[in-house]
Amino acid sequence: KAGVTQTPRYLIKTRGQQVTLSCSPISGHRSVSWYQQTPGQGLQFLFEYFSETQRNKGNFPGRFSGRQFSNSRSEMNVSTLELGDSALYLCASSLKLGPYEQYFGPGTRLTVT
Amino acid sequence: GENVEQHPSTLSVQEGDSAVIKCTYSDSASNYFPWYKQELGKRPQLIIDIRSNVGEKKDQRIAVTLNKTAKHFSLHITETQPEDSAVYFCAASWGTASKLTFGTGTRLQVTL
Repeated sequence: KAGVTQTPRYLIKTRGQQVTLSCSPISGHRSVSWYQQTPGQGLQFLFEYFSETQRNKGNFPGRFSGRQFSNSRSEMNVSTLELGDSALYLCASSLKLGPYEQYFGPGTRLTVT
Repeated sequence: GENVEQHPSTLSVQEGDSAVIKCTYSDSASNYFPWYKQELGKRPQLIIDIRSNVGEKKDQRIAVTLNKTAKHFSLHITETQPEDSAVYFCAASWGTASKLTFGTGTRLQVTL
């Protein structure tokens, strides 16, 4: 089976712009979670989706949003970008919602200038 | 909310020695504890996990132990090899959520 894929892999944006990141889960996986990884804050949970519904949200401002499509693919959007949003954004997929194995994609490296 | 503490932040061992990384969690309702290995520039890779109804799990050279009373769990790597050098993250989740709360990571260096 193909692993979790994310596009784009690298992105450079300017403050104030918005960005959309995409995640395709492992075939058959229905749950997708998003995490932000930075050297200072480590790995932090953004949100998780199952059956096209957001099930949990982390402690991030409303500028961070996401959605999931009927084929389980997911997108996250960050509006009005700030310098502090520069990070590696990782998505992870699992078979179903709950305490099950999660497999990460390669991440999207976002740089905000 | 859940808090996961991880120690040590860096660990250097000689090839062939054992390495132990420890994590403590705050929420007694936590029921799933995975460990991830992240090599430089790569994605976190799930290496082993344990559920709250199990005390120990082993997979070749790696093992994880869980002490629910003390609310801590540990990763044990035996016969370390240079390719074990990476950052290791522990994590915890609870209830019916997939949300993982991660520790701050341990940079393991295996020297020849």
